Amino acid sequence: GQQLNQSPQSMFIQEGEDVSMNCTSSSIFNTWLWYKQDPGEGPVLLIALYKAGELTSNGRLTAQFGITRKDSFLNISASIPSDVGIYFCAGLNYGGSQGNLIFGKGTKLSVKP
Amino acid sequence: NAGVTQTPKFRVLKTGQSMTLLCAQDMNHEYMYWYRQDPGMGLRLIHYSVGEGTTAKGEVPDGYNVSRLKKQNFLLGLESAAPSQTSVYFCASSYKGAVYGYTFGSGTRLTVV
Repeated sequence: GQQLNQSPQSMFIQEGEDVSMNCTSSSIFNTWLWYKQDPGEGPVLLIALYKAGELTSNGRLTAQFGITRKDSFLNISASIPSDVGIYFCAGLNYGGSQGNLIFGKGTKLSVKP
Repeated sequence: NAGVTQTPKFRVLKTGQSMTLLCAQDMNHEYMYWYRQDPGMGLRLIHYSVGEGTTAKGEVPDGYNVSRLKKQNFLLGLESAAPSQTSVYFCASSYKGAVYGYTFGSGTRLTVV
């Protein structure tokens, strides 16, 4: 089945640093979504991308829909302690057998004050 | 507006016991989903429903059953719990399909001893 490769698996950064993570697939996706999961909570949608090449921001977060439609990137600028959590990418291929979201395995972000 | 509510939040079961996890949404969403989250495995789809009275298998359905008797509720049952079902379970819902993403509940942490 379709798989998303999300990297890195974990990151330990200093407060104030910028963060980059990405998600790649061997399949083409029509929609890319980025979620954040706070400890002990469910994932919350951060950014949705619907067009190849699209660049969308949400505060200090910026995500891009790759031109090839097989990847997506999330950047966090000037990280703060509340950025701690697990970030998931998710892709949707309208032509897929189920039309359900495919999730990456997550990037766990730790921020040192 | 509560969104997606999961009960219970925590549960400990003995091997062989049965239980039902309840998910309720008040957003009039058509689609509902059950996921399990295990360390290093990301979110894996157990079962889903595209409308009242319908259910379908996801990626890891074995050992689980579901029912969607009312549009707002989606129940996940474990008939005979096994230690391998120790996990955090998330319910999610979406209006129609996945294109705008899912709204997740806050999870149920289940331990089977």
